[in-house]
Amino acid sequence: ETGVTQSPTHLIKTRGQQVTLRCSSQSGHNTVSWYQQALGQGPQFIFQYYREEENGRGNFPPRFSGLQFPNYSSELNVNALELDDSALYLCASSFRTDPGGTQYFGPGTRLLVL
Amino acid sequence: AQSVTQLGSHVSVSEGALVLLRCNYSSSVPPYLFWYVQYPNQGLQLLLKYTSAATLVKGINGFEAEFKKSETSFHLTKPSAHMSDAAEYFCAVSLRNTGNQFYFGTGTSLTVIP
Repeated sequence: ETGVTQSPTHLIKTRGQQVTLRCSSQSGHNTVSWYQQALGQGPQFIFQYYREEENGRGNFPPRFSGLQFPNYSSELNVNALELDDSALYLCASSFRTDPGGTQYFGPGTRLLVL
Repeated sequence: AQSVTQLGSHVSVSEGALVLLRCNYSSSVPPYLFWYVQYPNQGLQLLLKYTSAATLVKGINGFEAEFKKSETSFHLTKPSAHMSDAAEYFCAVSLRNTGNQFYFGTGTSLTVIP
């Protein structure tokens, strides 16, 4: 069984740029969620995708957007990067009918915005 | 509103001593509850979850947690700490009426003293 993978592992961008982060779900999972984890904080829910559509969103502005592909892989796009976007971005996959939607996390992408 | 509170951002225990990490939640509907562990520069790993079956839940690495509805608590315990238990621990809640959206606490950093 293949776990959740993310790429790249690290990324440095400058303010105002755009970034795309990628995630491959654990095999058999049909739902993917993205989280932002600032230093010293717990993960904050950004959004969730199911059947290639956004299926729930946290308190993040529209410049955070995503995609889910037919093979259940996913992208997180962030436009007009701000310094506060520096964080660890975590992707998690789950199975839609799992009680509670147990999240299985990837290792994350650490983004630094200068 | 739903939230998760982890009392004690830092906990230190001696090797072999009892580990107790506290988690309280607020929720207007019966929750699903989870504990995750995060080692440095890694993603989150599921320790255990409560999904309304037995109130005492056993997880990996000797950890367990007890759901107490009257106290709205889900504290994590381990009878005897090992050096390898040193990590960041996160409590999380997901709710059926939000499509199983996850809310995380701010985390507790566990230090194990030899």
